[in-house]
Amino acid sequence: GAVVSQHPSWVICKSGTSVKIECRSLDFQATTMFWYRQFPKQSLMLMATSNEGSKATYEQGVEKDKFLINHASLTLSTLTVTSAHPEDSSFYICSANPLTRTSPQETQYFGPGTRLLVL
Amino acid sequence: KQEVTQIPAALSVPEGENLVLNCSFTDSAIYNLQWFRQDPGKGLTSLLLIQSSQREQTSGRLNASLDKSSGRSTLYIAASQPGDSATYLCAVDYGQNFVFGPGTRLSVLP
Repeated sequence: GAVVSQHPSWVICKSGTSVKIECRSLDFQATTMFWYRQFPKQSLMLMATSNEGSKATYEQGVEKDKFLINHASLTLSTLTVTSAHPEDSSFYICSANPLTRTSPQETQYFGPGTRLLVL
Repeated sequence: KQEVTQIPAALSVPEGENLVLNCSFTDSAIYNLQWFRQDPGKGLTSLLLIQSSQREQTSGRLNASLDKSSGRSTLYIAASQPGDSATYLCAVDYGQNFVFGPGTRLSVLP
């Protein structure tokens, strides 16, 4: 089946540094990728929609200058948390929407997630 | 506004019990609905996917039903085991985006 990878799987950084998270679709092309964030004991919340070759669309309340998204190719989207602070500590998950759904059963594919801890 | 809710928020049961998790969604124009399992510190594991045209799906001890007109889905877990302890998320696929429920935290006691 389709696979989405994320790197790194976990990261610890100091406050004020920037952290880049990669999301890759390994065996399919995705014009659209999604970034979600999950705080402890809360549900996943959509942060932004990443479109290949164009600017990302951010959900209300998500700072676009803090969470930089680049979708440079049909298989790679990156999320950079700039000047990270402890309140940014969270679980970040990406998902990829296949370029074309080959069957009604096909849906988005989720990455394994990246756990970020900002000290 | 597309919203997904789940009841109960948390559930603790003794091993062997059958249980039902509930999911409700406000916008019935869904592409499909998916149930996920999330273990602490882990990513999502897809359990069952129900297309908008289907009424239910079964996998092992799990059975998920879908009533699109009323905006409801249930996940039935038969003969629960301690290994079933996790957070169960309901997610509605609207074609271009998912909307997740807040999850139900399940604890199955040995």
